[in-house]
Formats: sequence, structure tokens, C-alpha cells
Amino acid sequence: DAKTTQPTSMDCAEGRAANLPCNHSTISGNEYVYWYRQIHSQGPQYIIHGLKNNETNEMASLIITEDRKSSTLILPHATLRDTAVYYCIVIKETSGSRLTFGEGTQLTVNP
Amino acid sequence: NAGVMQNPRHLVRRRGQEARLRCSPMKGHSHVYWYRQLPEEGLKFMVYLQKENIIDESGMPKERFSAEFPKEGPSILRIQQVVRGDSAAYFCASSREITDNYGYTFGSGTGLTVV
Repeated sequence: DAKTTQPTSMDCAEGRAANLPCNHSTISGNEYVYWYRQIHSQGPQYIIHGLKNNETNEMASLIITEDRKSSTLILPHATLRDTAVYYCIVIKETSGSRLTFGEGTQLTVNP
Repeated sequence: NAGVMQNPRHLVRRRGQEARLRCSPMKGHSHVYWYRQLPEEGLKFMVYLQKENIIDESGMPKERFSAEFPKEGPSILRIQQVVRGDSAAYFCASSREITDNYGYTFGSGTGLTVV
């Protein structure tokens, strides 16, 4: 699975959009970009995933560059409850692909 | 539709005792994954199981740790002769035969404290 690079930490004001970048320059054609988050002491929570098209769901939007070497997770209106570690993971979407968690980005939403 | 259930939520063991952690996957999920998170560290993969089979145990310590996922009942992660370094949060995740749009669903974890 391709390696990912994320900033260690980011801050965001409550109510503003949080834009979390991820670099995955070695991604191959059949690998998906997944985003998870872990709120302190809880189990990781799935957020969104995509292959090459931009994706949106009730939680977030995922913007993947045309060359697929980087992506951005967007939380449109961050709340205090969005404070968490966010993980960008690249995997082949086949049954049994294990998730390899890196260090992630600690997002702190400030009042 | 209950999520992934892990129990106990917290477990305290004395050094040398055995710890048994249980994980019941979501209904319809036949793949189970165990992860460990040491204090102030990231999540590390331990083992991946399907019903009655261990598929990948490359992240499991060679000694004292074992896992099973029987035909009936929950998946069990067993740690024999626990040591202080085993103190950690242990998370279980499950998925279907074919990964769906929700990826892997994680449980709330079991916090193991070895005293």
C-alpha cells in the first residue's frame, strides 16, 4: 500500500471549514484513499473514501487531485466535536485489505 | 443493527495472569481485525481473521498472544502471562466479504491495564 504524508497538527476555528491535506505520491491505479478519525480514547471512525472522483457525504468532502498524488479532506463547518486525529490511508479495496495507520493529523477545533 | 461489540470495556490484570478480550463483529461481517494502541502511540495492526481461519498474523507478537474466530461466537484475543508492556487499548474491526462503502467498522475498544 502506498505511503501517506500528513501534517502533524492543525487548528481550525469553530464554524469554519477545516481542510486537511494528504500526500500519497506513490499511489497506484487500483488504490483508494480512505479517511478515518479517532476521537480521544474511542475506536476509529470511517469518514469517507474515493478513487479518483471527488466525493461528498453527510460528514465531509474528499477532493482528489487529477494525478491522484494528493487529496484534501474538507469538514465544511467544523465543530468542537470534530477535534480528533485524522488518518489518511491508501489501500487496495479488496476484501481483507488491512488498514495501516500512520501518525495522522491532530485537528483541534477552537471556540 | 448493533455495531462491533467489544467486551470488557476495561480489564485489569496482575502480571502473569491471562487476559481474554472479546469482539463480536457486526451482523453479516465475517472478517475481523485486531489492532493495538499503546499509550500515546498510533494504532498497530495485529491480526486478521475470517471464520475459523487466521489470514494474517504478521503484527502479532510471537509469544503469549493468540487469536481465534470460531464458527460460533465472538473473536477472542488471548494474552497469556501479561506484562506491564501489554497495557494498551485493543480495538477490533469487522468488514463484510466485499468491502462496502463504510469500510471497516471499529468497536469502542478494550482498555487493558496490567498492574
